[in-house]
Amino acid sequence: DAGVIQSPRHEVTEMGQEVTLRCKPISGHNSLFWYRQTMMRGLELLIYFNNNVPIDDSGMPEDRFSAKMPNASFSTLKIQPSEPRDSAVYFCASSPQAGEYNEQFFGPGTRLTVL
Amino acid sequence: AQSVTQLDSQVPVFEEAPVELRCNYSSSVSVYLFWYVQYPNQGLQLLLKYLSGSTLVKGINGFEAEFNKSQTSFHLRKPSVHISDTAEYFCAVSDKGAQKLVFGQGTRLTINP
Repeated sequence: DAGVIQSPRHEVTEMGQEVTLRCKPISGHNSLFWYRQTMMRGLELLIYFNNNVPIDDSGMPEDRFSAKMPNASFSTLKIQPSEPRDSAVYFCASSPQAGEYNEQFFGPGTRLTVL
Repeated sequence: AQSVTQLDSQVPVFEEAPVELRCNYSSSVSVYLFWYVQYPNQGLQLLLKYLSGSTLVKGINGFEAEFNKSQTSFHLRKPSVHISDTAEYFCAVSDKGAQKLVFGQGTRLTINP
């Protein structure tokens, strides 16, 4: 079974441009998480969904960030407009519906550079 | 809110030496605890987890961790490291029944020949 798929793997853009990151969770997983990793702040949870519904977006840094999950097999994280301080590695993770425990399976990440 | 402290940001060790990576979490009634590993330019992979039962948990690649409730710690150990263990290691905690994982800042393990 394929793991979590993220695209693109690398993105370089200029300040002010819109950036869209994509994620396909593992089939059958009902929860999806977006994280951001930077040297300064480590791994931060931005938002997570259960059954396509956003549950907690308290980690989304500001209104420039938005996330959607239109169906069980696809999610996007959008930054508009992008700024240099958004440069980071963005990870998507999925897990089975919360039950006995909540192991999360991570994608390979998207390395975003905003010039 | 939960918090996780990984006491060492970097740990250099020689190949075949033992290693311990330390992790402490803020107190809570019931928690799940995890160690994840991140190899260069890759996503995180689960090494091991503590859910309940025996406080000594064994994971992949010869790693183990011990849950100590009184000290709110979950230190990771390996008796003999290999070059291939070079990676960043993250401790994470969640309250039982909660979905959010709180990660520590990570410990970079460097193995010297």
